[in-house]
Amino acid sequence: GAVVSQHPSWVICKSGTSVKIECRSLDFQATTMFWYRQFPKQSLMLMATSNEGSKATYEQGVEKDKFLINHASLTLSTLTVTSAHPEDSSFYICSARGISTDTQYFGPGTRLTVL
Amino acid sequence: AQSVAQPEDQVNVAEGNPLTVKCTYSVSGNPYLFWYVQYPNRGLQFLLKYITGDNLVKGSYGFEAEFNKSQTSFHLKKPSALVSDSALYFCAVRDQDSWGKFQFGAGTQVVVTP
Repeated sequence: GAVVSQHPSWVICKSGTSVKIECRSLDFQATTMFWYRQFPKQSLMLMATSNEGSKATYEQGVEKDKFLINHASLTLSTLTVTSAHPEDSSFYICSARGISTDTQYFGPGTRLTVL
Repeated sequence: AQSVAQPEDQVNVAEGNPLTVKCTYSVSGNPYLFWYVQYPNRGLQFLLKYITGDNLVKGSYGFEAEFNKSQTSFHLKKPSALVSDSALYFCAVRDQDSWGKFQFGAGTQVVVTP
C-alpha cells in the first residue's frame, strides 16, 4: 500500500517551454501533497504544499507564477514549470499524505533537464 | 521552529558490521520523527517513524531507531549491514502545524563495503 507515482520520470525540454509533472496516489486518498526540489547529493527543498481543492501554499522564495500547482482531486496533483530555463533543471519529487496518517509517501521523482 | 541535524555526511561500514546513522532534533512539543532512504535517481522510501510509545522503533529492511528524549536523538541502526544498504538516508521531523510539513536533515550517505 501507499504507492505514489510520478510521470514522467524524466523530461528534456527547450528553454522557454512549459513542462507538466503529474503526481498520483495510487491506493489511497491524499488530502495533502507536497512538491520538493532536490539538487545532486543534497537534501530536499520544499517548494509548496497543496490540499485538495485549495490553492497551494508556496515556500518563501518559490515563484508561484513559475511553478503552478494544481490539486484537483484526492489522487492527483500536478506541477507545471512555466517558461522553463536551464536553472530550473533539477530532480522534482512529490509526496502525498493520507487523511489519518502523519507519514508522507514519496513518488519516484522526475528529472527535468532544460536545454 | 522544528529542525533535525545529521552530523555525518557519510558513514562507511563493512558488510556484516553494525550500522548507525545519527540524527538529533529540536522541536517544541512532542516530536514526530521519521527516517527515509533514497537510492540514486529515486524517490524516498519510508523506513520507520516515532510518534509515541516504545522508544525502540522497528521498521523496514531490518532497520530500527531509538528515540532518546534526554539526548534529543533518533539514531537509525541496523545490526548487520548489507552492501545493498548503501544509499542516502534522511531524518525528518514533522511540523506541528496542520499541513504536516517535514523538515529534513541534510542526509547521510551510507557506504557499505563487501
